[in-house]
Amino acid sequence: DTAVSQTPKYLVTQMGNDKSIKCEQNLGHDTMYWYKQDSKKFLKIMFSYNNKELIINETVPNRFSPKSPDKAHLNLHINSLELGDSAVYFCASVRGYEQYFGPGTRLTVT
Amino acid sequence: LAKTTQPISMDSYEGQEVNITCSHNNIATNDYITWYQQFPSQGPRFIIQGYKTKVTNEVASLFIPADRKSSTLSLPRVSLSDTAVYYCLVAPPGAGSYQLTFGKGTKLSVIP
Repeated sequence: DTAVSQTPKYLVTQMGNDKSIKCEQNLGHDTMYWYKQDSKKFLKIMFSYNNKELIINETVPNRFSPKSPDKAHLNLHINSLELGDSAVYFCASVRGYEQYFGPGTRLTVT
Repeated sequence: LAKTTQPISMDSYEGQEVNITCSHNNIATNDYITWYQQFPSQGPRFIIQGYKTKVTNEVASLFIPADRKSSTLSLPRVSLSDTAVYYCLVAPPGAGSYQLTFGKGTKLSVIP
């Protein structure tokens, strides 16, 4: 079984649309992160959820919102997509210093 | 936030030992040093973590001097499959109100 899974793997959409990316982990961890990896390959944390509560909210636009229906899931909703949102988005499940990353979702906004 | 600096790229022949150094001059007392490996089109994968001195596992060794202002990831006898980007991350363990940003990493190319 895949430890951390994301869907979809690829997402192509037009500016102004609203989209969601799903993330699920079967590791039983309490903490999950969302990262954005831009074209320059910087990997920057966007959100963190611990026991269903948001504990890190980085300086990301409020068009981005994490939703956690339960401990195993942390979904990312993006409203009014912009060209600059094009990137690869990774979720990670966290235990202490060790992060387990999902395969990533490549988002392309046209 | 402990900013890290790594070489942008390195080349090595198969079978050689590779050492990648990361500088983190403003590391905090409770920060740990963690290294990740990322293959194209995949998420980063944990390699090794340490606080001070030397740590070794089945994949790599991590050397951290007494002042902890740098660390060196050592990969013994690399193979073509070790071609990847290697990131050094300095942060406290567990979740917290820290900005976790991976640097650009070091792109290691292993040559046959």
